[in-house]
Amino acid sequence: DAGVTQSPTHLIKTRGQQVTLRCSPISGHKSVSWYQQVLGQGPQFIFQYYEKEERGRGNFPDRFSARQFPNYSSELNVNALLLGDSALYLCASSLLRQSNQPQHFGDGTRLSIL
Amino acid sequence: GQQVMQIPQYQHVQEGEDFTTYCNSSTTLSNIQWYKQRPGGHPVFLIQLVKSGEVKKQKRLTFQFGEAKKNSSLHITATQTTDVGTYFCAGPVQGAQKLVFGQGTRLTINP
Repeated sequence: DAGVTQSPTHLIKTRGQQVTLRCSPISGHKSVSWYQQVLGQGPQFIFQYYEKEERGRGNFPDRFSARQFPNYSSELNVNALLLGDSALYLCASSLLRQSNQPQHFGDGTRLSIL
Repeated sequence: GQQVMQIPQYQHVQEGEDFTTYCNSSTTLSNIQWYKQRPGGHPVFLIQLVKSGEVKKQKRLTFQFGEAKKNSSLHITATQTTDVGTYFCAGPVQGAQKLVFGQGTRLTINP
């Protein structure tokens, strides 16, 4: 079975631009979470979506938004990019919505802001 | 807000030596999860501990959950080069659908 897939793998943007990152969960997993991982730090929770609804939100500005589609895939959008948004963006899926569920991570999208 | 802290931040050992990383939460946790991230890779789930005082083993890895459910540890016996990576603990935020990760312990090994 395929794992969590993310696209693109790498992205270079300039300040002020907008970006959309995509994630397909493991087949059968209904929960998708997004994390930001800055070099040398642990993943920071951004959003959780379950059954197409937002179920959790981390301490990120409104420039960050996401959605989940009927097939449980998800997109993360970031507007008005700042230099500090440079990071590895990880998508994780789990079977259920509870936070005690093991997270299955994709390879991530490495976003660089110039 | 809830914080999860790990020490040490870095650990360098000779192959064959033991390694331990410690995780402390500012609040009581319903469970704690451990992940391993290889250089250039993504976090991979290792294990979840739920019960107070729980100890679980996976080959050379031993995981413990504290009696107060506020701390945890991962011990690796006789490290091998395949153990290289960053080890993260993560705990759920009470009343919220999210995990808080520690900053990780990066393990490097001299063969």
